Amino acid sequence: DVKVTQSSRYLVKRTGEKVFLECVQDMDHENMFWYRQDPGLGLRLIYFSYDVKMKEKGDIPEGYSVSREKKERFSLILESASTNQTSMYLCASSETSEGRMDEQYFGPGTRLTVT
Amino acid sequence: QKEVEQDPGPLSVPEGAIVSLNCTYSNSAFQYFMWYRQYSRKGPELLMYTYSSGNKEDGRFTAQVDKSSKYISLFIRDSQPSDSATYLCATPSDNYGQNFVFGPGTRLSVLP
Repeated sequence: DVKVTQSSRYLVKRTGEKVFLECVQDMDHENMFWYRQDPGLGLRLIYFSYDVKMKEKGDIPEGYSVSREKKERFSLILESASTNQTSMYLCASSETSEGRMDEQYFGPGTRLTVT
Repeated sequence: QKEVEQDPGPLSVPEGAIVSLNCTYSNSAFQYFMWYRQYSRKGPELLMYTYSSGNKEDGRFTAQVDKSSKYISLFIRDSQPSDSATYLCATPSDNYGQNFVFGPGTRLSVLP
């Protein structure tokens, strides 16, 4: 079974703090993703990575950065947390398959509250 | 206009009912359509997917795509309380099938 784990289930941080969210997958997948999920807005892609040290901006990258130093690990960094970054953060991974849809496997999510 | 839209619900039905969940999409280039199920406090997991138009059946679940009207449906027969979850439709947003566009999800409650 594919397993995607996230470092914390719940996190409370103060405005202005630097926040690190860690994600690890155990299936040697090339692709990893960070989403945030908000009521009524669904999942929105923040950043994704298709290889070690490679990263691409998603739909809402402002205020976030990412790091992928090892294939199995993808970190999301909030440089200076703000209250509008209070959300559920979901990490996902997928393998690259030629010519077909790649299923994304999700972690359990981290509910971040910024006060 | 959002690329994928769905009614957020909540939708409450009695056990045993037939459930119909629906999405509309705007980009006619979309080819694959997926349904993810998300239980409370868990990440989404792929339920089923279809390619292009037509139906696909898997047990009590049937996914249907009508490309002419850009409409995606998921039918659940003999619904069970264990089907209570949020259902998200999704489609790849690029030609490589790596990045997806998700609908906001419909929250379903099946009452015993």
